[in-house]
Amino acid sequence: QKEVEQNSGPLSVPEGAIASLNCTYSDRGSQSFFWYRQYSGKSPELIMFIYSNGDKEDGRFTAQLNKASQYVSLLIRDSQPSDSATYLCAVQGAGNNRKLIWGLGTSLAVNP
Amino acid sequence: DVKVTQSSRYLVKRTGEKVFLECVQDMDHENMFWYRQDPGLGLRLIYFSYDVKMKEKGDIPEGYSVSREKKERFSLILESASTNQTSMYLCASLKSSGKRTDTQYFGPGTRLTVL
Repeated sequence: QKEVEQNSGPLSVPEGAIASLNCTYSDRGSQSFFWYRQYSGKSPELIMFIYSNGDKEDGRFTAQLNKASQYVSLLIRDSQPSDSATYLCAVQGAGNNRKLIWGLGTSLAVNP
Repeated sequence: DVKVTQSSRYLVKRTGEKVFLECVQDMDHENMFWYRQDPGLGLRLIYFSYDVKMKEKGDIPEGYSVSREKKERFSLILESASTNQTSMYLCASLKSSGKRTDTQYFGPGTRLTVL
């Protein structure tokens, strides 16, 4: 059973701090990794994807991938109250590039 | 921008009713998906379709069927709604360009309540 695990939280950080969200996956052949943000009552929206080891930065967001450790993370710098949401990690396996394996999500609260 | 629309944001049905949820995408994507999302259980794949008239079961297909007669439209059917099908239903679409960056895009969701 291929799995994606996230700490459910809630993760609480003060405004302006760095929020660090983590995700581990079981399928060593996984190819691509996605972070989605989901506000309460809304649908998931893509923040960023990563498929190469190392860091990928997009504005205040940085995704980090370590395939050897089967670990992907999302850092949010200068956290804002508007970042308060659930963050979903999704992993695309090697064999079937259509389906994603989803984590349960980490709830983030940014306190003013 | 990719646009995925769903026929209703909120729907209330009675036990035993046949329920149709529709999803339309405007980006000529080959693949479409139906998920349900429940607290503590996350996103669970019900069915997906990789081409017109083609479908494949996901992780929880029981009690559901799907129809894809046109590329842009993917319908989820609850043959006889039950209370345990009360949930948020999310449709997504995906282009198959073969790139590792191919991304699923979601519709706004339908909150279905079965009484």
